[in-house]
Amino acid sequence: RKEVEQDPGPFNVPEGATVAFNCTYSNSASQSFFWYRQDCRKEPKLLMSVYSSGNEDGRFTAQLNRASQYISLLIRDSKLSDSATYLCVVEGFNKFYFGSGTKLNVKP
Amino acid sequence: NAGVTQTPKFRILKIGQSMTLQCAQDMNHNYMYWYRQDPGMGLKLIYYSVGAGITDKGEVPNGYNVSRSTTEDFPLRLELAAPSQTSVYFCASSPRLVEQYFGPGTRLTVT
Repeated sequence: RKEVEQDPGPFNVPEGATVAFNCTYSNSASQSFFWYRQDCRKEPKLLMSVYSSGNEDGRFTAQLNRASQYISLLIRDSKLSDSATYLCVVEGFNKFYFGSGTKLNVKP
Repeated sequence: NAGVTQTPKFRILKIGQSMTLQCAQDMNHNYMYWYRQDPGMGLKLIYYSVGAGITDKGEVPNGYNVSRSTTEDFPLRLELAAPSQTSVYFCASSPRLVEQYFGPGTRLTVT
């Protein structure tokens, strides 16, 4: 079983749409969770950390469900510039485990 | 701060050649990581280090070696390159088990 699993997509949405991604993880002892964004042929960059109480940063909301071992990312009012691959990352045993990423295409 | 730097940006190797991918960070981070990313796939951990003099294997260490003699540098050595090692290699550093900062990557082709 993979440590972190994501739907690869692609999610094709129009500008202004709301889109949500989920990610499941296998290690119940994991303490830290993140969403990273990766543009084509570039390095991953931190989008936001995910806290137990949930957190919001502008149009982005991240939530953690420890009981079901999944994290989610909600993007409201999608912009063309949101087109990218979104990577779910879970920490465990001094290491970070990356999902394969979910590709988002925002269309005009 | 330069952050995390990687050299070279691109490299083509012939099968059986060896090379070292360089990684350096100027943020005084203890944790450093090497990943590879194959096309359309996620990042796979090759090796990591929790401090100078300490290294450990990740998911895919075969065919690679690392050393960490200083806090700043974490080179990755490829011995006897094989086509299966064609990939993009990312180095990252982290102050603790929180956010990672990535270098721009090295695109390696083995033919």
